[in-house]
Amino acid sequence: EAAVTQSPRNKVAVTGGKVTLSCNQTNNHNNMYWYRQDTGHGLRLIHYSYGAGSTEKGDIPDGYKASRPSQENFSLILELATPSQTSVYFCASGDATGLHDTQYFGPGTRLLVL
Amino acid sequence: GDSVTQTEGLVTLTEGLPVMLNCTYQTIYSNPFLFWYVQHLNESPRLLLKSFTDNKRTEHQGFHATLHKSSSSFHLQKSSAQLSDSALYYCALSEDFAGNKLTFGIGTRVLVRP
Repeated sequence: EAAVTQSPRNKVAVTGGKVTLSCNQTNNHNNMYWYRQDTGHGLRLIHYSYGAGSTEKGDIPDGYKASRPSQENFSLILELATPSQTSVYFCASGDATGLHDTQYFGPGTRLLVL
Repeated sequence: GDSVTQTEGLVTLTEGLPVMLNCTYQTIYSNPFLFWYVQHLNESPRLLLKSFTDNKRTEHQGFHATLHKSSSSFHLQKSSAQLSDSALYYCALSEDFAGNKLTFGIGTRVLVRP
């Protein structure tokens, strides 16, 4: 079974503070993704990566940065957190070859920005 | 850009009755790939079924869906709902077989009552 883990699972941050969400996958997948989930909006793609050293902007990248230092790790960084970034964040990994054409999601991180 | 429309926000039904969740999409790609993801309470989304073949029924875990390119639809159906089917269901669209860079609908919450 594919394994994607996220840390922290819950986070309370202050407005203007820096927040780093971490994701680790042991699937050896090339692609990794960060989504946020909000009622009425579904899952929206923030950033994604095709491999170590690569990051791409998704559909809603404003206010977020991403870092992919290795095949296994993909971080989402909020340099100046705002209350509008309060959400549930999901990381996912996916195989780019098409042989295993499924995205595997992590357990999610609940972020509250006060 | 691509978009996915799920018209029902909440579907409430009695156990044993049939269920159908609507999904329509817009894309410039002539060969889109469509997916249904399911998310149970306090869990992460996981793939339920997928298709890229026009007019071919796809089945998994009692659910089925048929991609109809003529109407840009991929409705999810089940003949007899179970209590365990209560969950959030997302329809998603991708431009490539690996299912990467998904565009999700806003989701339909299904509540099955005894």
